[in-house]
Amino acid sequence: DTGVSQDPRHKITKRGQNVTFRCDPISEHNRLYWYRQTLGQGPEFLTYFQNEAQLEKSRLLSDRFSAERPKGSFSTLEIQRTEQGDSAMYLCASTDLGELFFGEGSRLTVL
Amino acid sequence: AQSVSQHNHHVILSEAASLELGCNYSYGGTVNLFWYVQYPGQHLQLLLKYFSGDPLVKGIKGFEAEFIKSKFSFNLRKPSVQWSDTAEYFCAVNAGNAGNMLTFGGGTRLMVKP
Repeated sequence: DTGVSQDPRHKITKRGQNVTFRCDPISEHNRLYWYRQTLGQGPEFLTYFQNEAQLEKSRLLSDRFSAERPKGSFSTLEIQRTEQGDSAMYLCASTDLGELFFGEGSRLTVL
Repeated sequence: AQSVSQHNHHVILSEAASLELGCNYSYGGTVNLFWYVQYPGQHLQLLLKYFSGDPLVKGIKGFEAEFIKSKFSFNLRKPSVQWSDTAEYFCAVNAGNAGNMLTFGGGTRLMVKP
């Protein structure tokens, strides 16, 4: 499968713990995006990278959230000191120009 | 900032019925418009997109959408739905200079009864 892959698919954690999600985009895509989707809502933009540069961050991305794309290939999204409100599906997408290709998401449940 | 409204949150149809899902956006400049579909348990997939040219856009699986600039709308249509069209549908907008960042509507959950 040469699509966007995300890991883990599901994560259950206790409030206050740190979690990290990984995204492997389609290999020739230079842009990578993170979105968050809660139940009954559309995806909300969090941040995006062009190669290794983080070019834009949403106000949704509090100080507890950090994203990296160190070599311009895979990306990680870390959430520190998780809160129950962080429970959501975290989606990764990549593109070269135009259409975004989405991964299947990483579902986070914070107890 | 751009925003997207999908007025129908839940739609229930019988097979062979016609479908129209509404999408309105707020942004005064050049936009690119998309419809994505999410089948149960699957990832978001592109149904169709509009960048420029003919405002009537045809996508996969018999779907089409019409861009009406004066109404800031991009409604999705299908003349005859099938049970397999049961899914959640998302309209999305990208402002021409927004680095491909998409703003999504809240989605419409479609259930097609066999």
